Amino acid sequence: GDSVTQMEGPVTLSEEAFLTINCTYTATGYPSLFWYVQYPGEGLQLLLKATKADDKGSNKGFEATYRKETTSFHLEKGSVQVSDSAVYFCALKIDGGNKLVFGAGTILRVKS
Amino acid sequence: EAGVAQSPRYKIIEKRQSVAFWCNPISGHATLYWYQQILGQGPKLLIQFQNNGVVDDSQLPKDRFSAERLKGVDSTLKIQPAKLEDSAVYLCASSLSLSLNEAFFGQGTRLTVV
Repeated sequence: GDSVTQMEGPVTLSEEAFLTINCTYTATGYPSLFWYVQYPGEGLQLLLKATKADDKGSNKGFEATYRKETTSFHLEKGSVQVSDSAVYFCALKIDGGNKLVFGAGTILRVKS
Repeated sequence: EAGVAQSPRYKIIEKRQSVAFWCNPISGHATLYWYQQILGQGPKLLIQFQNNGVVDDSQLPKDRFSAERLKGVDSTLKIQPAKLEDSAVYLCASSLSLSLNEAFFGQGTRLTVV
């Protein structure tokens, strides 16, 4: 079945460090890929998305590129801030399908 | 624009009791989802509605879980009787339609079964 695997956390970084959170997927069709973020005490929010191979999603300094050859959608940010501390979820949705399939989430902690 | 509203935010019940959660989606959103998020895991879809019809309930444990969206607007999710393993955050989300529109999530209801 369709599934998403994320790197385990928590990931602890100092402010202004480079961030990578790995995400790989298994899908039978042609998925669209997403990163959602959950800040403390808040609901899930869409961070970025990519709908086809080689697309790059970007938002708030975060980027992720849809790599079909490696079935990956790694999240990156060049310089993290304390306010980026949150849980990050990678997810997929099959074209024509109805549901999001989420990874387990990665906790990011940024220290000042 | 008001977001997805859920209540209550927290609930503690004993096993074998019943509990109900309420969700009011964003106005005009035809599609409504209920997800279960167990601690340390990603959200898992329980049921999806399009207006007042069920689109997907394949992962809903129907022997104890039920959900309805009678007027195609707000929705309730019920568990009866609850088990310890039902302890989780129950997330409601809505989107404009079934297609690849962004799903907006509520803050969730944290259920603890003791």
